[in-house]
Amino acid sequence: NAGVTQTPKFRVLKTGQSMTLLCAQDMNHEYMYWYRQDPGMGLRLIHYSVGEGTTAKGEVPDGYNVSRLKKQNFLLGLESAAPSQTSVYFCASSSTSDGPLGGYEQYFGPGTRLTVT
Amino acid sequence: AQSVAQPEDQVNVAEGNPLTVKCTYSVSGNPYLFWYVQYPNRGLQFLLKYITGDNLVKGSYGFEAEFNKSQTSFHLKKPSALVSDSALYFCVLDSWGKLQFGAGTQVVVTP
Repeated sequence: NAGVTQTPKFRVLKTGQSMTLLCAQDMNHEYMYWYRQDPGMGLRLIHYSVGEGTTAKGEVPDGYNVSRLKKQNFLLGLESAAPSQTSVYFCASSSTSDGPLGGYEQYFGPGTRLTVT
Repeated sequence: AQSVAQPEDQVNVAEGNPLTVKCTYSVSGNPYLFWYVQYPNRGLQFLLKYITGDNLVKGSYGFEAEFNKSQTSFHLKKPSALVSDSALYFCVLDSWGKLQFGAGTQVVVTP
């Protein structure tokens, strides 16, 4: 199993450009997440999905859109990149087998380092 | 409001000495708490979690954590640190499957 994979690994964008980050998981997990990591701030949740065809906003959703057309894939889009979106982006997935009220271990991808100039 | 705090930006310890990384939390109700570790230029890895039950939780790589409800703490511990334990450690509060991360504590273990 590859686990959670992310493409690309690195990207440099100019302000105003758009791009899509792809996350794929082969563990048949229901839940998928997108986070951003900035120095001294831990990880912050951007958007998440509890199943195919569903998405929801996290803590910092502005400037991002997501789609979950297939269970194994979760896409994060930046329509008009801004320097404030320079960050490392992590995708994660989890199953619900541990119970219905949270407490699920999340499996993280290796990250995408994005620089917006 | 729910929150999790890691009061130390960095912890320095000599190899072979005990390692403690501190975490405190604030939540209404019973918390779900995790510890994750991030090695340089890599994604996060799960270490252990507290859901309910025994206050001492054992996890991967010889780590354990003690849940203390009266002190609202969930400190991570290892009896004898290794140089390979040098990494960034996150205490995480789980709220209905959405994770809230502490700022992280950099652990530096010197030979």
